[in-house]
Formats: sequence, structure tokens, C-alpha cells
Amino acid sequence: SAVISQKPSRDICQRGTSLTIQCQVDSQVTMMFWYRQQPGQSLTLIATANQGSEATYESGFVIDKFPISRPNLTFSTLTVSNMSPEDSSIYLCSVAQLTNYGYTFGSGTRLTVV
Amino acid sequence: GIQVEQSPPDLILQEGANSTLRCNFSDSVNNLQWFHQNPWGQLINLFYIPSGTKQNGRLSATTVATERYSLLYISSSQTTDSGVYFCAVERRGNTGKLIFGQGTTLQVKP
Repeated sequence: SAVISQKPSRDICQRGTSLTIQCQVDSQVTMMFWYRQQPGQSLTLIATANQGSEATYESGFVIDKFPISRPNLTFSTLTVSNMSPEDSSIYLCSVAQLTNYGYTFGSGTRLTVV
Repeated sequence: GIQVEQSPPDLILQEGANSTLRCNFSDSVNNLQWFHQNPWGQLINLFYIPSGTKQNGRLSATTVATERYSLLYISSSQTTDSGVYFCAVERRGNTGKLIFGQGTTLQVKP
């Protein structure tokens, strides 16, 4: 299955600032996704990162808060903008290799906003 | 939307014991996966199992798609099995969106 490198692995940020999370895949993949996991909760899909076009956001998530880039088939970034303590979560990127492996996840970014 | 329910929510085992985790889902699915999230937050793909039975070492999984449930078996549990186990499904006709259950938190005591 694909190997995903995600960074940073963790960060502590001041409220009002922004953090950009990077996700690099070792092979070309059509579909890449970003998820959020709030403390003690399950994972929720934020958006699908589309190569060459705007990301597709799920209900409750907006581009101004979570801008996403997908410049090519192996790389994507998620920015968490104007952060507040409520944004403290684990953010994970994921790729789909549906024939044999389903969805594979990066190691996650543990974000704490103070 | 599709509902994914996992049981039990919490489980405490002595090392060496066996356990069965269950995942019920409310609609037809393209895809079902079991994940293990370790204490560091990493989400490890255990099984891609939209139907049938698979085994990997001490772990095995069975999905009965027609009855909309899946089971994860852990045999001879070890302390390193501790963590949260998630079931996630992709509804048929809705490629690209994994819906996660709330997870089963497993603690294996030495």
C-alpha cells in the first residue's frame, strides 16, 4: 500500500495564528482526503483534495477556515486558519487505493491551540 | 446518512484473553475497513474487508454484507493491542467518504 509522510507530527500554536500541514505520498494517487479527530471522538471527513481544482468540503467545513492545496498527484496541504482552542485535534490525511487496500492514513498531526 | 455502530464501547482484558468486536451498519457498502489507533494517534489499517473473512496473525475479521455487520476477532491478546479500534464504511455509490463508528477502546492488562 501507499506510504504517506505527514508533517508536522505535532505542534502547539497560539490562537489567531495559522498552521499548514503537509502530506506527501510515495506514489501517484487520484483521491486524497483530510480528516479531523477531535479529542475523544471519532474521525470526520473535512474535504476531498482535488488535483487541479478546488477542494470539495463536507457540511460544516469551509474553505476560508481550512484552505487546501493539491498541486500534483502526490502532495497536498491543509491549513488551519485563525485558530482557536476548539481547533485542537488530530488532523489526518488519507489516500484511496480501493482495489486491495481501501484507505490508508498518514501518521497524523496532533494540534494544540493555546 | 449511513449509521455505523460499534460494540462494546469499552473493553478490558487480561493478557492472553480473546475478544470479539462488532460493527453494525445501516446501508449497503462498497468498502469496510478495521483500523487500530495506537496511543500516539496513528491509525493502522488492519483489514480491508467489504465481505468475507480474512486473517492476519492473531487477528481475523468477518463481514456479512447481506446482514450488515462485521466482526473483528483478537486472539491471545497482548498489551500492545491496547488502543481504539475503529470500523469505517464507504456507502455504496458514495466513493470517497469513509464513515467511522465511534470506536471500541481496548485495554489489555499484563
